Amino acid sequence: DAGVTQSPTHLIKTRGQQVTLRCSPKSGHDTVSWYQQALGQGPQFIFQYYEEEERQRGNFPDRFSGHQFPNYSSELNVNALLLGDSALYLCASSYRQGTYEQYFGPGTRLTVT
Amino acid sequence: AQRVTQPEKLLSVFKGAPVELKCNYSYSGSPELFWYVQYSRQRLQLLLRHISRESIKGFTADLNKGETSFHLKKPFAQEEDSAMYYCALGRGSTLGRLYFGRGTQLTVWP
Repeated sequence: DAGVTQSPTHLIKTRGQQVTLRCSPKSGHDTVSWYQQALGQGPQFIFQYYEEEERQRGNFPDRFSGHQFPNYSSELNVNALLLGDSALYLCASSYRQGTYEQYFGPGTRLTVT
Repeated sequence: AQRVTQPEKLLSVFKGAPVELKCNYSYSGSPELFWYVQYSRQRLQLLLRHISRESIKGFTADLNKGETSFHLKKPFAQEEDSAMYYCALGRGSTLGRLYFGRGTQLTVWP
């Protein structure tokens, strides 16, 4: 089991563009959470998907949206990119929605120029 | 509002010395507290949680509700303990959502 996988590893976009990040959870996990980690900061919760629905959402604008597929994989979409969206985006998976033992992926480094 | 504070951004100790990484939280309910660790070029991983009261890699952490703290301690630091440590808070009402501190970079010198 490769654990949580994320793609791409790195991404460079221009302001105003749109981006899609992908995540495959650890085998046996059904819940995916996304976090944004700005430089020098701890991860900040964006949202969580369980049973293909957004279950919780952090303090992020509607430009951030997501999706979960029947195989539990997930996508994070960000529209109208801003310079401030430059960060490491982490995906974490767990078994069942209320589990705090979360397994993190390596992250996708997004740079907005 | 809930908040996790890790007052030290950087912490350096010599091998064999005791180490304590501080974590304070603000939350009026019953929290669940965790320590996550990220070694160089590795992904973030769970180190320990307060409800299990276990010792992992020689580290322990006790939840002190009176002082709203969850400090991570190890009596004798090793070079392989050098890593980024994050304290995280979970609330019962927000299933699975974690609130992270900004992290403490621990360096253990030989």
